Amino acid sequence: GAGVSQSPRYKVTKRGQDVALRCDPISGHVSLYWYRQALGQGPEFLTYFNYEAQQDKSGLPNDRFSAERPEGSISTLTIQRTEQRDSAMYRCASSLVPASGSSPPYNEQFFGPGTRLTVL
Amino acid sequence: ELKVEQNPLFLSMQEGKNYTIYCNYSTTSDRLYWYRQDPGKSLESLFVLLSNGAVKQEGRLMASLDTKARLSTLHITAAVHDLSATYFCAVDQWGGNQFYFGTGTSLTVIP
Repeated sequence: GAGVSQSPRYKVTKRGQDVALRCDPISGHVSLYWYRQALGQGPEFLTYFNYEAQQDKSGLPNDRFSAERPEGSISTLTIQRTEQRDSAMYRCASSLVPASGSSPPYNEQFFGPGTRLTVL
Repeated sequence: ELKVEQNPLFLSMQEGKNYTIYCNYSTTSDRLYWYRQDPGKSLESLFVLLSNGAVKQEGRLMASLDTKARLSTLHITAAVHDLSATYFCAVDQWGGNQFYFGTGTSLTVIP
């Protein structure tokens, strides 16, 4: 079956422009996560959704970053007024069941190929 | 804030040799995950460890979890070139939803 897909795969933009990154999770997966991965580092949590509800956005660096998942499937991560420090690989992951402290007992996430964002 | 540390960060080993990658984390967690990432590729789930003493094996890789020591190991047996990749461990907390990733171990297996 199809895995997590992301588009575009590469995005080059000029400082000050807005960008929208798209994630299409595995069909039927309830939870969707956004991460940012710098070169040579592990992914860093940004935000996540259960269905259409944004449950935690504590990892978003500042208010230029926002995310939505209006119909509980595809999600968009938007960065307004991009800055050079925003350049990174942005990864999306999805999980079959809702991320919760009570159940399920684990939260195996499946990652997409990422969007490489370069801000000039 | 939960911290996850891996060592070594870089590992170069000869084919046929054995080695262990270590993952230490700073707070109570019963759930640990190992991922593999090939250059320019996404992260592939390898193992999910859910309890103290859990051990899982797949081919030449074996992962274990000691929640009391807050330590997971990824043991490589008789390494082959195809195992060259970066390996990440990740931890999430019961009652929390964030994944905390380690810095990764870049493994190169030399023929």
